[in-house]
Amino acid sequence: AQRVTQPEKLLSVFKGAPVELKCNYSYSGSPELFWYVQYSRQRLQLLLRHISRESIKGFTADLNKGETSFHLKKPFAQEEDSAMYYCALAKYSGNTPLVFGKGTRLSVIA
Amino acid sequence: EAGVAQSPRYKIIEKRQSVAFWCNPISGHATLYWYQQILGQGPKLLIQFQNNGVVDDSQLPKDRFSAERLKGVDSTLKIQPAKLEDSAVYLCASSPVHRGDNEQFFGPGTRLTVL
Repeated sequence: AQRVTQPEKLLSVFKGAPVELKCNYSYSGSPELFWYVQYSRQRLQLLLRHISRESIKGFTADLNKGETSFHLKKPFAQEEDSAMYYCALAKYSGNTPLVFGKGTRLSVIA
Repeated sequence: EAGVAQSPRYKIIEKRQSVAFWCNPISGHATLYWYQQILGQGPKLLIQFQNNGVVDDSQLPKDRFSAERLKGVDSTLKIQPAKLEDSAVYLCASSPVHRGDNEQFFGPGTRLTVL
């Protein structure tokens, strides 16, 4: 069975400091990995996906198949980045259910 | 485009009562998901529909949970009878089948409290 692990429940950083939210997964196939974000009083929304290899709001994430990791990084945190971040896995491309980690709450301190 | 709509937003019931949640996906989205999110956890899939057919309901507790999407658009999720451990946020999500990129669009959720 597939599993997503986010080891940190809460991560606090100062504004302008680098951020790294960790995500590890277990799945024997070739999954798709995603980061979803939920800002205060907003719905869960897609931040980025590994297949697109794009940077969204300054965030990037690289899929490391050897370490089965998909860590989310940003070089300079902003206060508006404070939110709940969920790493998620889909077994294959197409319309498949997501398996989510427990989430990491990022708090950026001014 | 209008987002995924859910109602009610909040519901408080006593254990052993029944409750129903409603979801209206984004227009044209063939795939619809119901997730359960218990406090402190990530969302967990309950059921997936493709149009009006069930694709995956392996994690749905079928002794008390049921869901339908009769016309391939709106969906309802029912719990009967509710237990204390059903207290959670119930999220509905939809995705357009033709994209195949797995982006799911989430509704605001229904927060259920079972007393």
